[in-house]
Amino acid sequence: QKEVEQNSGPLSVPEGAIASLNCTYSDRGSQSFFWYRQYSGKSPELIMSIYSNGDKEDGRFTAQLNKASQYVSLLIRDSQPSDSATYLCAVIRSGAGSYQLTFGKGTKLSVIP
Amino acid sequence: DADVTQTPRNRITKTGKRIMLECSQTKGHDRMYWYRQDPGLGLRLIYYSFDVKDINKGEISDGYSVSRQAQAKFSLSLESAIPNQTALYFCATSAQGYEQYFGPGTRLTVT
Repeated sequence: QKEVEQNSGPLSVPEGAIASLNCTYSDRGSQSFFWYRQYSGKSPELIMSIYSNGDKEDGRFTAQLNKASQYVSLLIRDSQPSDSATYLCAVIRSGAGSYQLTFGKGTKLSVIP
Repeated sequence: DADVTQTPRNRITKTGKRIMLECSQTKGHDRMYWYRQDPGLGLRLIYYSFDVKDINKGEISDGYSVSRQAQAKFSLSLESAIPNQTALYFCATSAQGYEQYFGPGTRLTVT
């Protein structure tokens, strides 16, 4: 079983719509969860971090965490063409080396004008 | 100026050559990391360092070595480059928290 799984996409949404990106993880003891945005050929950029169950909002972004279901999601409201990128889910697992991030392979988002 | 810098940004080298990638940061973070990214495989951790005297292997350390010259500098070396080390390499840093911040990357091609 892959440790962090994401649908590779592409996920296409019209401009102004809500984009919903999903991520599941296998280690039930995982503690910390992150969403990175990566434009083609560029470095990952941290956009959200979430550590406890529930929702966390920052501008147009909302991260949602459900540890019981081992599921974390990212909602992007009022999607813009500039949001078109690959979104990486990353998890810090429990146990030894617990500061190591494990990344999913990313979901490619395309916002259609 | 960027908080995390990497040099070179692009490099083409031949099989068997030794190559060093350098990373510097002005964020004052203690922790530094080297990742490689390959299409279809995502980001994978090569080495990480929590301070100057602490170096740890990551998921894919074979064929690589690192040096932490100072709190702000962390170098990655390929002792004898091979074509399957062609990839995009990223340096990242973090403070005591878990949030990691990435440099701009080095695109390495081994022919």
